[in-house]
Amino acid sequence: AQSVSQHNHHVILSEAASLELGCNYSYGGTVNLFWYVQYPGQHLQLLLKYFSGDPLVKGIKGFEAEFIKSKFSFNLRKPSVQWSDTAEYFCALRGGSQGNLIFGKGTKLSVKP
Amino acid sequence: EAGVTQFPSHSVIEKGQTVTLRCDPISGHDNLYWYRRVMGKEIKFLLHFVKESKQDESGMPNNRFLAERTGGTYSTLKVQPAELEDSGVYFCASSRAGGSYGYTFGSGTRLTVV
Repeated sequence: AQSVSQHNHHVILSEAASLELGCNYSYGGTVNLFWYVQYPGQHLQLLLKYFSGDPLVKGIKGFEAEFIKSKFSFNLRKPSVQWSDTAEYFCALRGGSQGNLIFGKGTKLSVKP
Repeated sequence: EAGVTQFPSHSVIEKGQTVTLRCDPISGHDNLYWYRRVMGKEIKFLLHFVKESKQDESGMPNNRFLAERTGGTYSTLKVQPAELEDSGVYFCASSRAGGSYGYTFGSGTRLTVV
């Protein structure tokens, strides 16, 4: 069965710390992978997506993610977080010819000023 | 372009009542999706429209949920009768035709059944 696992439920960092949020997936075929962010009171916004090609994907606001096929992983990184990065982050996959996304449970990030 | 619009943003109803949620996708987006997030759980897929047709409704919990997409434009999701476990945030998303596009999400409707 297809699934997405996000390892951390809640991450607390100080400003300027580096961030890495883990995401592993289970799917036997070709996948498209996404990271979405939901800031407090706002809608889900796309941070970045991987469809094919370069496995290192750069997104908005300084975020990047690396697709490692052998590890079934798509971890999200940012070298230096800001207080404004406080939000909930969701990893998601779309498998094969499906249209819908399968989400992980989300990781809440709290950045202390 | 205008985003995906959902309303109401919040709804509190009593068990046994009926509620209708509405989603207006981005104009020209053939694909429309409904998702739900129950508190503490992951966002789960409910169903997918392509224009006015239901492409995939495998995520619909039971027959108390009815989704429609009149004329391939806006969509409604009706819950009748509502139960306590239906509480959660209902998200709508839309995307263009084809597989290479991302999805644009609405702000969601927070449904509370008391």
